[in-house]
Amino acid sequence: AQSVAQPEDQVNVAEGNPLTVKCTYSVSGNPYFFWYVQYPNRGLQFLLKYITGDNLVKGSYGFEAEFNKSQTSFHLKKPSALVSDSALYFCAVRDDRGYKLSFGAGTTVTVRA
Amino acid sequence: AAGVIQSPRHLIKEKRETATLKCYPIPRHDTVYWYQQGPGQDPQFLISFYEKMQSDKGSIPDRFSAQQFSDYHSELNMSSLELGDSALYFCAVSPDNYNEQFFGPGTRLTVL
Repeated sequence: AQSVAQPEDQVNVAEGNPLTVKCTYSVSGNPYFFWYVQYPNRGLQFLLKYITGDNLVKGSYGFEAEFNKSQTSFHLKKPSALVSDSALYFCAVRDDRGYKLSFGAGTTVTVRA
Repeated sequence: AAGVIQSPRHLIKEKRETATLKCYPIPRHDTVYWYQQGPGQDPQFLISFYEKMQSDKGSIPDRFSAQQFSDYHSELNMSSLELGDSALYFCAVSPDNYNEQFFGPGTRLTVL
């Protein structure tokens, strides 16, 4: 079964500093990877996806992610974090038989002013 | 852009009651997914439909059932509610099987 893991429950950074949210995976075949963000009491908002091709993908709100096959990772990054980036971030992998998403446990990002 | 309307947004029920959650994809989408997110947890896949037929099933209790109607809206029916059913329930749609899923705002179910 496809699965992703988010090794950090929380990430704290100062505004203006680089932000990295880690995601590692255990998959077979050619799955698709996604990042979603969730603000309190809100639905999940799509940030970006990796399907194939260029390992560096750019998404919404200045976020990007790099697919690294040798390290089995798909870390989310932002060069300069904003206070408004404080939220819960989920990494997800799409199952290639049925297309459901399997999520990591989530990482709470706090950006301090 | 794809969107999803879910109703109700909040629902309070007593134990052993039933609940019906509704999902309206905009525009109409032939694929609908339901997820359950417990407090402090990641979303867990429940069930999905493609062209009104069940396409996949996850960790959905037998007390729950769902269907997709001819107008492509979907309903999740939950019976004999338990305290542990208290959660956020999301409906998601995808324009096709190769792209991202768009999530609705969710229905927060509280079972007392």
